[in-house]
Amino acid sequence: DTAVSQTPKYLVTQMGNDKSIKCEQNLGHDTMYWYKQDSKKFLKIMFSYNNKELIINETVPNRFSPKSPDKAHLNLHINSLELGDSAVYFCASSQGTGGSPLHFGNGTRLTVT
Amino acid sequence: DQQVKQNSPSLSVQEGRISILNCDYTNSMFDYFLWYKKYPAEGPTFLISISSIKDKNEDGRFTVFLNKSAKHLSLHIVPSQPGDSAVYFCAASDLNTGNQFYFGTGTSLTVIP
Repeated sequence: DTAVSQTPKYLVTQMGNDKSIKCEQNLGHDTMYWYKQDSKKFLKIMFSYNNKELIINETVPNRFSPKSPDKAHLNLHINSLELGDSAVYFCASSQGTGGSPLHFGNGTRLTVT
Repeated sequence: DQQVKQNSPSLSVQEGRISILNCDYTNSMFDYFLWYKKYPAEGPTFLISISSIKDKNEDGRFTVFLNKSAKHLSLHIVPSQPGDSAVYFCAASDLNTGNQFYFGTGTSLTVIP
């Protein structure tokens, strides 16, 4: 019974394509996040959702759009993929908006060719 | 701008000895800190946290120390075990701005049997 699960684990696609990564958490948390880990292993927040509202939106290209159908899901849609989008994307969740640790999924390795 | 830094990309320690992982931050508003452990092809797993009102927090073999004046925290693992071999990330947040965490680039710990 995985707490935070994301699919697919690996995603290989060509430049210009549109793709989605799905994330689900069964912890009952009310905040979900997307993080990107680049080639330098730097984990950087992209988005977070609290009660279906976007509360953090770092300076990511608008080709990236989070979609949250309910508080247990936060999907990441990426349009017009570019080579520089290749990275590992982690979904995470937490309870509340401050002072609680993040629980991460196992990551999706996106490779754009 | 990297607000959280882990200047040692790797560390090797003999089994049974102490492992000390270091982390520095630049934002004096950070008041909540966490350590995560990450195995290959898995997401980061929460280890231990500390708030700025404390200077030490202990959980079994893991102890985190916080030096606010130096903007420095460290994770001590005693005694180190081969299963501790992983990448360790520190993260920091300003609770007044919600649960937005800034991560370091990680330190790869190898515990030699």
